[in-house]
Amino acid sequence: AQTVTQSQPEMSVQEAETVTLSCTYDTSESDYYLFWYKQPPSRQMILVIRQEAYKQQNATENRFSVNFQKAAKSFSLKISDSQLGDAAMYFCAYRRRRTGTASKLTFGTGTRLQVTL
Amino acid sequence: EPEVTQTPSHQVTQMGQEVILRCVPISNHLYFYWYRQILGQKVEFLVSFYNNEISEKSEIFDDQFSVERPDGSNFTLKIRSTKLEDSAMYFCASSDPWTGGLNGNQPQHFGDGTRLSIL
Repeated sequence: AQTVTQSQPEMSVQEAETVTLSCTYDTSESDYYLFWYKQPPSRQMILVIRQEAYKQQNATENRFSVNFQKAAKSFSLKISDSQLGDAAMYFCAYRRRRTGTASKLTFGTGTRLQVTL
Repeated sequence: EPEVTQTPSHQVTQMGQEVILRCVPISNHLYFYWYRQILGQKVEFLVSFYNNEISEKSEIFDDQFSVERPDGSNFTLKIRSTKLEDSAMYFCASSDPWTGGLNGNQPQHFGDGTRLSIL
């Protein structure tokens, strides 16, 4: 079974600074996807960034980027130029690649990010 | 931008009662999911649904749970006889099989959730 581990229950960053959230996972699959979702107090889960395991290049999305280390099964999220609106719970998630049918997400326990002035 | 909508936002039910949580997925999506999040814990997969049948279900999704797509727009989760431990936030999600071509890379879009409180 796949597992996702986020070892940082809480992190804090000052506005405009950079923060890195850690995530490790365990799988026997070779083809899969990794995601970071953001859950603000408004509750909705919002996709931040995704990475295909077959791609060596790290995904970037504006101020958000990942450091994907497939051999180490590590998938960290870097937030640059942090903003107050970045404050939320961040979940790392794994999904096995399946075509033609639904494929579930397996989530980590989350990291609560605080952004301070 | 199209959204997944869930109703109600908060449901309070007596233990032992039946409850139905409703979701309207994004209109062209074909894969549907239910997840739950017990307060302070991680989001857990319950069930996935495609082509009018369950694709996969977790250990949590026992005989007390059922899902249905009664018409072309709604996707419901029914809990037949609720227990105290069913108290949680329930999230519906949907995904589009065609985004990113046929490589299976379809991001799941989540609703705002229904907070279920069992008394």
